[in-house]
Amino acid sequence: GESVGLHLPTLSVQEGDNSIINCAYSNSASDYFIWYKQESGKGPQFIIDIRSNMDKRQGQRVTVLLNKTVKHLSLQIAATQPGDSAVYFCAESFSGTYKYIFGTGTRLKVLA
Amino acid sequence: SQTIHQWPATLVQPVGSPLSLECTVEGTSNPNLYWYRQAAGRGLQLLFYSVGIGQISSEVPQNLSASRPQDRQFILSSKKLLLSDSGFYLCAWSFTGSEQFFGPGTRLTVL
Repeated sequence: GESVGLHLPTLSVQEGDNSIINCAYSNSASDYFIWYKQESGKGPQFIIDIRSNMDKRQGQRVTVLLNKTVKHLSLQIAATQPGDSAVYFCAESFSGTYKYIFGTGTRLKVLA
Repeated sequence: SQTIHQWPATLVQPVGSPLSLECTVEGTSNPNLYWYRQAAGRGLQLLFYSVGIGQISSEVPQNLSASRPQDRQFILSSKKLLLSDSGFYLCAWSFTGSEQFFGPGTRLTVL
């Protein structure tokens, strides 16, 4: 079935550097994508989303890039801070469904 | 603004005991509601979702059930818990085609 996966289970980044978290999706019909941040023991928090009619969307210190040709999604975090340490999930959805498919997650560790 | 509540925050139950987890949403109407389970260090597994009162869709066959007695109330239940039911249970709400908002979660340990 369709799945959303991540290339790297753990990413260690030096404080102040930029982080890039990647995600691959398999359903070419997916038209809505979301990134979530989950801190230990808490529920996931919405970071940023993008629809399939866009290639790039920027938020505060975060950018999501969507490459529909290779079915790839990435989250870029600028000037990574200790508070960015968490597990990051991508999720996909498509029109006509109420469901969201989540990837397995990438743990981001920020090194001081 | 919208808020979502879950309780209890943590729960320790013996095998074979019943379960009832509750989720309520404030500040919105007619939301889609979801129950997920997350094993330690793993992703989110969709268990149930509901698009309206009394409407429940089950994603994973198991000894769990869900009910939506009111528009903004979603309940996860079991008659007899199994060891494998241990995990972090998350409730979420959304409108179709937009982001999901998650509750704080319930940590369930079945002994």
